[in-house]
Amino acid sequence: EAGVVQSPRYKIIEKKQPVAFWCNPISGHNTLYWYLQNLGQGPELLIRYENEEAVDDSQLPKDRFSAERLKGVDSTLKIQPAELGDSAVYLCASSRGGYNEQFFGPGTRLTVL
Amino acid sequence: QKEVEQNSGPLSVPEGAIASLNCTYSDRVSQSFFWYRQYSGKSPELIMSIYSNGDKEDGRFTAQLNKASQYVSLLIRDSQPSDSATYLCAVNRGGKGGYNKLIFGAGTRLAVHP
Repeated sequence: EAGVVQSPRYKIIEKKQPVAFWCNPISGHNTLYWYLQNLGQGPELLIRYENEEAVDDSQLPKDRFSAERLKGVDSTLKIQPAELGDSAVYLCASSRGGYNEQFFGPGTRLTVL
Repeated sequence: QKEVEQNSGPLSVPEGAIASLNCTYSDRVSQSFFWYRQYSGKSPELIMSIYSNGDKEDGRFTAQLNKASQYVSLLIRDSQPSDSATYLCAVNRGGKGGYNKLIFGAGTRLAVHP
């Protein structure tokens, strides 16, 4: 079974530029999550999707961050414009929903200069 | 008070010893509990899940849960240098609609020395 796929793996941009991250979940997993992980910290949830519906986006900074999950499969997370403080690892995870286990993709390491 | 607390470590154990990693959580309605292993520069990898009080064993790993004390632990028997990593405790507190909402601790760094 293929795992969660993310791209790109690394991204370096200058502040105020836009950036987008892509995620394809494990086949059959209807729940998709985007997390942010800062160095030395655990992942923090940004947004959770059940199929196409964003059921929890309370931690997403909506002034600059947006996400979509068209057709309920893969998802894109966008930042526009990026700020220096956005430098972090952006992780995508998926699960079968409910209280099931979440599985993480390899992440995208973003550096904002 | 953080919602999920872990000792940051490093926890240093000799090869072959038992490593004991601890985690406490503040939300009494938490339903499920997970341990992830994260190697430096890699993403978290699920190694154990536990849903009811008591012990759950899987190979060299044993997860222990005590909901009354709001405490979950991970024991690693016969520790190997390859076990050296950061171990993240994650707690499902039940979000909107009862779906998954994992809250992570900051992790405990484990170092197994030969």
